Amino acid sequence: ETGVTQTPRHLVMGMTNKKSLKCEQHLGHNAMYWYKQSAKKPLELMFVYSLEERVENNSVPSRFSPECPNSSHLFLHLHTLQPEDSALYLCASSQRTGYEQYFGPGTRLTVT
Amino acid sequence: GIQVEQSPPDLILQEGANSTLRCNFSDSVNNLQWFHQNPWGQLINLFYIPSGTKQNGRLSATTVATERYSLLYISSSQTTDSGVYFCAVLTFSGNTPLVFGKGTRLSVIA
Repeated sequence: ETGVTQTPRHLVMGMTNKKSLKCEQHLGHNAMYWYKQSAKKPLELMFVYSLEERVENNSVPSRFSPECPNSSHLFLHLHTLQPEDSALYLCASSQRTGYEQYFGPGTRLTVT
Repeated sequence: GIQVEQSPPDLILQEGANSTLRCNFSDSVNNLQWFHQNPWGQLINLFYIPSGTKQNGRLSATTVATERYSLLYISSSQTTDSGVYFCAVLTFSGNTPLVFGKGTRLSVIA
């Protein structure tokens, strides 16, 4: 595997489910990010991790819970989501924060 | 916070035509990236260009940081160039991440 990978690519979940999105980067980077892309909206940053420590949290609802166990892996744990949380969730990584970012293919999430 | 504006919002081209996409930003930036988002949602890095001019095949980009704008040139467009082109900037303030514009949706017609 090369670059940034994300699984699953598509996810349909009910409002009472709990699921997790996974991101893995194979670039030797030290910073990882979660972004949300809703229809007709600019990409929004959700979380930033640098060297496995969260450095930014853009007022994201607590039903989204990130986890960064090491510099290569990033998870987004989801629980009791709302239909308006349906979106494309993109993971990115960079050598350090402030450097060029590389994106994964995204997980398209539908909340029913 | 910093504002990023892209123009035009939509663009339809005949195959083989050239185009220029513009990105204006409201404050000093540390860096700037151009991306192409394909129909499947993948964001593909085109350029990392805080200043100056870069070229990659039929694509080139110019950033004039002092005047707070960047241009993306697409020459001899192909149908595979269709998609949304995003400009994103990094500001100087610490860990502030990429701020994206709303994108330019390009459709290239055969």
